[in-house]
Amino acid sequence: DARVTQTPRHKVTEMGQEVTMRCQPILGHNTVFWYRQTMMQGLELLAYFRNRAPLDDSGMPKDRFSAEMPDATLATLKIQPSEPRDSAVYFCASGLLGGANYGYTFGSGTRLTVV
Amino acid sequence: GIQVEQSPPDLILQEGANSTLRCNFSDSVNNLQWFHQNPWGQLINLFYIPSGTKQNGRLSATTVATERYSLLYISSSQTTDSGVYFCAVEGVYGGSQGNLIFGKGTKLSVKP
Repeated sequence: DARVTQTPRHKVTEMGQEVTMRCQPILGHNTVFWYRQTMMQGLELLAYFRNRAPLDDSGMPKDRFSAEMPDATLATLKIQPSEPRDSAVYFCASGLLGGANYGYTFGSGTRLTVV
Repeated sequence: GIQVEQSPPDLILQEGANSTLRCNFSDSVNNLQWFHQNPWGQLINLFYIPSGTKQNGRLSATTVATERYSLLYISSSQTTDSGVYFCAVEGVYGGSQGNLIFGKGTKLSVKP
């Protein structure tokens, strides 16, 4: 089974530190999403890419968050500096838009705790 | 932007019972998916169903795109069905295109 791989699975860091989360989308998928899930807000879209180009990052706090796709096999989400309110589960998802679209597949998430 | 509403927000079932979960959306969609988030937090894709009916074992789903709703049916529920069921849609127009918007989910608890 093809899967979306996210690392790390868990991350505990101190306030002010830089956090980098990584995602390996399914080979051949052209669309990658980053979501954040909290109890209060549910699943929020942070950013998404198509063919490695950022299409929408309006959901991200621009002053501290950045998302990139340095190549087709890697997407990154960085937080610098991290704050306690960033504590959440961050999901990456990938899919193939424009082809035989079977929807989007999610990774297992990165659980981030900022203390 | 497109709105997604799910009902009921919470559902408690006895093992073996059947249930229907509903998802209403406010605009035309070219993608609709049902996900199950299990107690370990994993989001499992159940159905990609922008229209029509699909079945997978004890689960089935129907989307009536012209009336802007989708239904997820769970038959003979098992304790392993517990978790949160999310509906997510991708709109056709403008800013909704390519943007997978989630509902707030239905939390299902199946008691033995």
